[in-house]
Order: sequence, then C-alpha cells, then structure tokens
Amino acid sequence: NAGVMQNPRHLVRRRGQEARLRCSPMKGHSHVYWYRQLPEEGLKFMVYLQKENIIDESGMPKERFSAEFPKEGPSILRIQQVVRGDSAAYFCASSPGNYNEQFFGPGTRLTVL
Amino acid sequence: AQKVTQAQTEISVVEKEDVTLDCVYETRDTTYYLFWYKQPPSGELVFLIRRNSFDEQNEISGRYSWNFQKSTSSFNFTITASQVVDSAVYFCALSHQGGSEKLVFGKGTKLTVNP
Repeated sequence: NAGVMQNPRHLVRRRGQEARLRCSPMKGHSHVYWYRQLPEEGLKFMVYLQKENIIDESGMPKERFSAEFPKEGPSILRIQQVVRGDSAAYFCASSPGNYNEQFFGPGTRLTVL
Repeated sequence: AQKVTQAQTEISVVEKEDVTLDCVYETRDTTYYLFWYKQPPSGELVFLIRRNSFDEQNEISGRYSWNFQKSTSSFNFTITASQVVDSAVYFCALSHQGGSEKLVFGKGTKLTVNP
C-alpha cells in the first residue's frame, strides 16, 4: 500500500512564475490537507479538502494561492506569481475520514529565485 | 484558540541516555486529539502516536513512551536508551474533534543523539 505521494520533490521557480504541487493521497483516503513549513518554523495548516470540495481554507493566503482536489486525479496546490517568501517545504497529508490520524507525504521543497 | 508549545528548541544527549521532550497545549475544546510526529534529516514526517483527550493512559511502544496529563495540559514524550537514529526534529500537534480537524503544530524540538 503506497503512502502519500507528492511531486515534484524539489521545485525551483523564478519570481513571477507559477508553481504547481501535486499530492496523491493514500489508497482509500478521501481527505487531503496541505501544510507549509517555512525555514526555522513549525508546520502551518493551509487548506483541507475532500473530493471536489474545499472544507477549510482558513490557512491559505488570500491571494495567489489556490487548491483543488478533483474527482479524478491528485490534489493540486497552485501558487501564482511566486515570490521569494513562498520558498518553503509544502507537505500534503491524507486521512481516510474524520477522527483519524493524518499521514504525510515526503513534501515538496519550493525554492523561488 | 488552540496552541501548542514546545519550549525546548534543541536538546543534545549522548547515546543510551533517556530524554524527555515536553509538549504543553491550550484548547477550549473538551474533545481533542494530541499527536507526535518525527521529522528526520531526510525531511519526511513520520506519525508516531495519536491520543484522544478522554484517554489519559500512558502509552509505551518499545523505547518510546508518552505521558498525557490533562491536569497540566501536557503530553510529554520520552525516549529511553536513545540511539543516533533518534536524531530528528519532533513535533507535537493538536486537533479538535469535529470541524476540519486541522493539526496545530508546535515549533518542534530538535534532538541530537551523539555517539
């Protein structure tokens, strides 16, 4: 049973470009969470999705960031017009439903030049 | 509001020593979950334990043990006979039952176990 998959593992973008981060949850998991880990900081919640629905986006920056979890395919975290401050590790986690532990993917390290 | 405090930023021990990582939490919820995750140098996050707020029994798993005390809002993690492979950043986290169940993390404790 494969774990949570994230790709790419490393992503380099220049300021102003778009970054797309993908997350495939564990088999049988319908809940996806995105977290961001800035240098020297802990992990901060960004968004919680179920298939075709955003349940909680209280941690998402108001501009440039969006997330989706379509009926088919992986969840996507999209960052438009990236800035240097977006450089961080972005982790995706999945769970099979409510009241269950979240299992994390290996993360995507985004570097903005 | 929910908050998790890990007061120890870094700890360094010598192999075979016991070490305790502290975690203090704040929440107004009566039902919640507490977690510990390990982040080794390779960067991934490894789930260690989840504890329900109604279950105050201490838990032991091999060299790992957890002490949950609601009276002091603490959920401490002890590694017995530490090994070099235990070197990692350890995160304590909190979520409440119901709603989005997002995890609120502490800032982590970096543990270095020296040979």
